[in-house]
Amino acid sequence: DVKVTQSSRYLVKRTGEKVFLECVQDMDHENMFWYRQDPGLGLRLIYFSYDVKMKEKGDIPEGYSVSREKKERFSLILESASTNQTSMYLCASRRDNPPLHFGNGTRLTVT
Amino acid sequence: QKEVEQNSGPLSVPEGAIASLNCTYSDRGSQSFFWYRQYSGKSPELIMFIYSNGDKEDGRFTAQLNKASQYVSLLIRDSQPSDSATYLCAVFMDSNYQLIWGAGTKLIIKP
Repeated sequence: DVKVTQSSRYLVKRTGEKVFLECVQDMDHENMFWYRQDPGLGLRLIYFSYDVKMKEKGDIPEGYSVSREKKERFSLILESASTNQTSMYLCASRRDNPPLHFGNGTRLTVT
Repeated sequence: QKEVEQNSGPLSVPEGAIASLNCTYSDRGSQSFFWYRQYSGKSPELIMFIYSNGDKEDGRFTAQLNKASQYVSLLIRDSQPSDSATYLCAVFMDSNYQLIWGAGTKLIIKP
């Protein structure tokens, strides 16, 4: 089975802090994704990567950056956390074609 | 604008009945279609995918695809309270290799 592991299940950070969300997958998938999910807004794509050191902006990249130094690891960075970034963050991976496999999610609260 | 639309619900179905969830999409070029189930506070999990017109059955679940009418549906037979969740429809865009997500339908199975 594909395993996508997110480093934290719950995270509480203060406004202005730099926040790192880590994601690791064990199936040698080329593609990795970061989504956020908010009530009533569904899944929104923040960034994705189709190869090491490659990144592409999704629908809502503002306030975020990403890093992919190794194929199995994709990090989401909040440069200066704000309260409107309080959300559920979901990492996912896949090969060239779906399906997409999700991690367990990180519920981030910014106070 | 490539869109995937679902009725947000909630859809309330008596235990033991058939639950019918629908999804329409706008891009005629879409070839792959996915249904994910998401329990409250959890990440989405894949339950069905379908590529060809017609029906695909897996246990109590049946996915139906009609490309001419641009809709895909999910039927759940003998509904159980444990089927209560939000069901997300996702359509894979061959043009840009991206999944487009519906906002999800909340299903409630009443004992």
